[in-house]
This record gives sequence, C-alpha cells and structure tokens, in this order.
Amino acid sequence: AIQLTQSPSSLSASVGDRVTITCRASQGISSALAWYQQKPGRAPKLLIYDASLLESGVPSRFSGSGSGTDFTLTISSLQPEDFATYYCQQFNTYPLTFGGGTKVEI
Amino acid sequence: QVQLVESGGGVVQPGGSLRLSCAASGFTFNNYGMHWVRQAPGKGLEWVAFILYDGSNKYYADSVKGRFTISRDNSKNTLYLRMNSLKAEDTAMYYCAKDDSSYSSSSFDYWGQGTLVTVSS
Repeated sequence: AIQLTQSPSSLSASVGDRVTITCRASQGISSALAWYQQKPGRAPKLLIYDASLLESGVPSRFSGSGSGTDFTLTISSLQPEDFATYYCQQFNTYPLTFGGGTKVEI
Repeated sequence: QVQLVESGGGVVQPGGSLRLSCAASGFTFNNYGMHWVRQAPGKGLEWVAFILYDGSNKYYADSVKGRFTISRDNSKNTLYLRMNSLKAEDTAMYYCAKDDSSYSSSSFDYWGQGTLVTVSS
C-alpha cells in the first residue's frame, strides 16, 4: 500500500500566519491527491482535489501544489476558523490511503 | 443539496455482525461511486471500501477484506456496509462519502455525519 507521511503532525500558529503542511507519498501518485479539513466532532470537508484544484466554496487562502511524491497544502493567512486537523489522501492506487493528519492549533 | 445520512451503528459483541446504511439524496446516486471511511476514537481517517456507480467493481482495505461487504441499491439511493466477524479494532465512527467521479476513485466531495460502531463484550 502507498504510505502518505504528513509533516508536521501538529503545529502552533497565530491568526494571520502563513502555514505549510507537507505530504510525501512512498511512491509516485501523479496528481491523484486530495486535502481535507476536519474539525472536532465533524465529518471531513474536501478542500483541494487533483493536488492543486480548489473545491467550490473553499476560500482562496487555501492552495495545494505538487505532483509525484511531494505535495504541499498552504494556508496563506490563517483565520480563526482554520484551526482544525488536515489530512491528505491518495486515490492513485488501491487501497486508498490517508496521511496521519496535521493538527493546527493556536 | 447533497445529503448522506448513515444509520445502523451500535454496540455489538466481538464476532458479531452489523449492517450500516447510507441514504443519499440531492444528486443522481447511480452516477457516482461511493465509499466507506472510518475513524477510530482519537485517531486518523482510514478508507474502508469503494463501490463503483453500478456496483460492478468493489475494493476493500486489507484490514476488512473477507469480513466486510459493500453494496448498493440504486433503486433506493442507498449504500450499505455489511460487517461480519467484528473485532474490537473495528470500533470507529463510520462515514459514507460520495466520490467525485463516476468511473473510478477520486476525491470525496461529500460526507455523511457518521454512525458509531462499538465492538465490546
């Protein structure tokens, strides 16, 4: 199975900060990667699909980049509602897999 | 608007069985693949299973292969997960999720609110 390694596993940041989360795949997955945001007690929400495409309705401060094995999720200016856990997910190969998550805290 | 509503969770003894359902509305159900994803308490997300739009292809995580069966009834706009030989490590919130694609797995653009399965004696 393809392993996705997210880093860091957690980070502390302030409102207005630029935040970058990385996701590394154990083998190449082209651009078959998505990013999700999950808040406590809630279902995950799709932010980015196909590595860099912004899901409809998601604020433009979120962006994704990368292809092959190395991917990045960037929040250009952190807002109070962005404090959550973020997951990457690959859909290139079965079994589909998620990264371990990155918790963004104040 | 798209809605996915899971049901069927509960407490079951090890070795027992359970069937989860996911009622879909707000989109053409028989045009999209569907997934089950689970999350153990305090842990990350784990993909469980996928079924193609017409039910012709199914894929499973190694951890559930041979014990869980995904199915769908397009006439009822409902997705199912039959879970047999349940283990303590199957304890989790189970989410159904809509795939963004019709013909293969892609990103999951809509999720249900989840149903909790607890395996305990």
